[in-house]
Amino acid sequence: KAGVTQTPRYLIKTRGQQVTLSCSPISGHRSVSWYQQTPGQGLQFLFEYFSETQRNKGNFPGRFSGRQFSNSRSEMNVSTLELGDSALYLCASSNNIGSEQYFGPGTRLTVT
Amino acid sequence: EDKVVQSPLSLVVHEGDTVTLNCSYEVTNFRSLLWYKQEKKAPTFLFMLTSSGIEKKSGRLSSILDKKELFSILNITATQTGDSAVYLCAVDAGGTSYGKLTFGQGTILTVHP
Repeated sequence: KAGVTQTPRYLIKTRGQQVTLSCSPISGHRSVSWYQQTPGQGLQFLFEYFSETQRNKGNFPGRFSGRQFSNSRSEMNVSTLELGDSALYLCASSNNIGSEQYFGPGTRLTVT
Repeated sequence: EDKVVQSPLSLVVHEGDTVTLNCSYEVTNFRSLLWYKQEKKAPTFLFMLTSSGIEKKSGRLSSILDKKELFSILNITATQTGDSAVYLCAVDAGGTSYGKLTFGQGTILTVHP
């Protein structure tokens, strides 16, 4: 079974721009969670989608948004990029509530 | 606010040593505790524990959960250089925390030959 895939793997953007990251979950998994990982804050939860609905959201500004499609693929968008948004963005998929999450390789975003 | 604390933050050992990594947590509810291994890439799932006192084992790695004392340990016996990584502990707080894992800061394990 193929694992979680994320595209692109690396991205360099300028302050003020916006970016869209993509995540394809493991086949059959309907829940997709997104995390931001930085050296200072560690892994922090952004949001979770299940069956195209956002069920949970972390403490991030409204510039961070996401969506999920009917095939469970998910995208996250960051608008008006700031230098502090530079991070590794990880998505994880799971079967449903209470199941372990499996992570993708991440997208390394650098904002200059 | 849910909180997960890992100790030690870093550990340096030699091949063949046995290590014990600690994870304590404070959460409003509790569904499960998970351990991940992260090298220079995505975290790799190791164990999920939901019940107290039941050891999960995979090769040289094992883990156990104490729900009364709110902690878990991850043991690695006969360490190898390939065990060098960051080990992350995470808690699923249950309730309406859909899809949210709260992570500790991680333990950096370095195994020297």
